[in-house]
Amino acid sequence: GENVEQHPSTLSVQEGDSAVIKCTYSDSASNYFPWYKQELGKRPQLIIDIRSNVGEKKDQRIAVTLNKTAKHFSLHITETQPEDSAVYFCAASGRYSTLTFGKGTMLLVSP
Amino acid sequence: NAGVTQTPKFRVLKTGQSMTLLCAQDMNHEYMYWYRQDPGMGLRLIHYSVGEGTTAKGEVPDGYNVSRLKKQNFLLGLESAAPSQTSVYFCASQPRGYSNQPQHFGDGTRLSIL
Repeated sequence: GENVEQHPSTLSVQEGDSAVIKCTYSDSASNYFPWYKQELGKRPQLIIDIRSNVGEKKDQRIAVTLNKTAKHFSLHITETQPEDSAVYFCAASGRYSTLTFGKGTMLLVSP
Repeated sequence: NAGVTQTPKFRVLKTGQSMTLLCAQDMNHEYMYWYRQDPGMGLRLIHYSVGEGTTAKGEVPDGYNVSRLKKQNFLLGLESAAPSQTSVYFCASQPRGYSNQPQHFGDGTRLSIL
């Protein structure tokens, strides 16, 4: 089955800095890659996603890049703010849109 | 429009007890999923359903059963609860035929097995 590796497990940055989270996947048939933000005690919230026929997607301060050949994709957050502090999960979509998640990255943005 | 609703929100069980978690969605979605989330882990797929009357195993199905008797409901059962099943359970749904659409998640059920 699919395997998704996510790094780093924790990331501390100063407000205004950029943050990058990286994921790799194993199944070349995966064709959809969402990123979720999860605050403590809350449900995962989709923040951005990318499809396999696209190399990059941007939404304001958030961008995602995908390298299908290398089977890796990354989340980039620019001009980080304290409210960006949360756990971020990457995922890869397989058969019947089932999602395989990475183990998460705890992002801490210090004022 | 409530989206995906999970009941109960919290529950404490004793080892060996049984219970059923209910997931209901009002978006007429064909696909529904059950995930569990443990500390330091991402969500892991337990079971899923691609339509009324059909279910399939995910990554971690042991100790759980599911049923999809109605399109809007997806039930997750624990026949004999074990401490290893202490977790947060999330249900999600998605329309069929849109494999590149986001899943809609419920608020989760926090389950503790003593």
